[in-house]
Amino acid sequence: AQSVTQLGSHVSVSEGALVLLRCNYSSSVPPYLFWYVQYPNQGLQLLLKYTSAATLVKGINGFEAEFKKSETSFHLTKPSAHMSDAAEYFCAVSVRSSASKIIFGSGTRLSIRP
Amino acid sequence: GAVVSQHPSWVICKSGTSVKIECRSLDFQATTMFWYRQFPKQSLMLMATSNEGSKATYEQGVEKDKFLINHASLTLSTLTVTSAHPEDSSFYICSAFRDTEAFFGQGTRLTVV
Repeated sequence: AQSVTQLGSHVSVSEGALVLLRCNYSSSVPPYLFWYVQYPNQGLQLLLKYTSAATLVKGINGFEAEFKKSETSFHLTKPSAHMSDAAEYFCAVSVRSSASKIIFGSGTRLSIRP
Repeated sequence: GAVVSQHPSWVICKSGTSVKIECRSLDFQATTMFWYRQFPKQSLMLMATSNEGSKATYEQGVEKDKFLINHASLTLSTLTVTSAHPEDSSFYICSAFRDTEAFFGQGTRLTVV
């Protein structure tokens, strides 16, 4: 079975500050890992994904995440927060398959202070 | 790029009626699609896996007779909420894989009054 745990349901940072959203995963097989962003009443947009290539993954909008097998973590970071980053962020895991269900974490709401 | 289209984006229906939500893969074929439900301020809960040409696979606790899934073609899956009640009000999202990436529909906000 697979699962993800997102630490912190709500994170608030100042504009220009570092963003760090934490995600730990559990998987009995090598996983695919994803970060998605969701704006109110909208679907999900993929920020980045880890599929066993480079452990440091760069995504859209300046976000990146590092896969650390020893820590079973896949934390999302951005060096400098922008007001437009305020949204809900979901970490997710799936098995390595072309058609595998994705299991989502509980989500972290990111707020940006002016 | 690949796009998954979901329709309608919102719907209001009376209690006791049925509502159909469509999920289409616009520029690729998807033998498998997934349906999720999201309650306010909560995560996405996988409801079922829709398989083209065969029965859907439902997650534990999801009522098969309440949430009917049909995947009649390689580009279309439908979710029908039967005899809807207010507790079925939620945000429903579908997804489909292309290669190693899942693409999501824009979601359907269902309100049952």
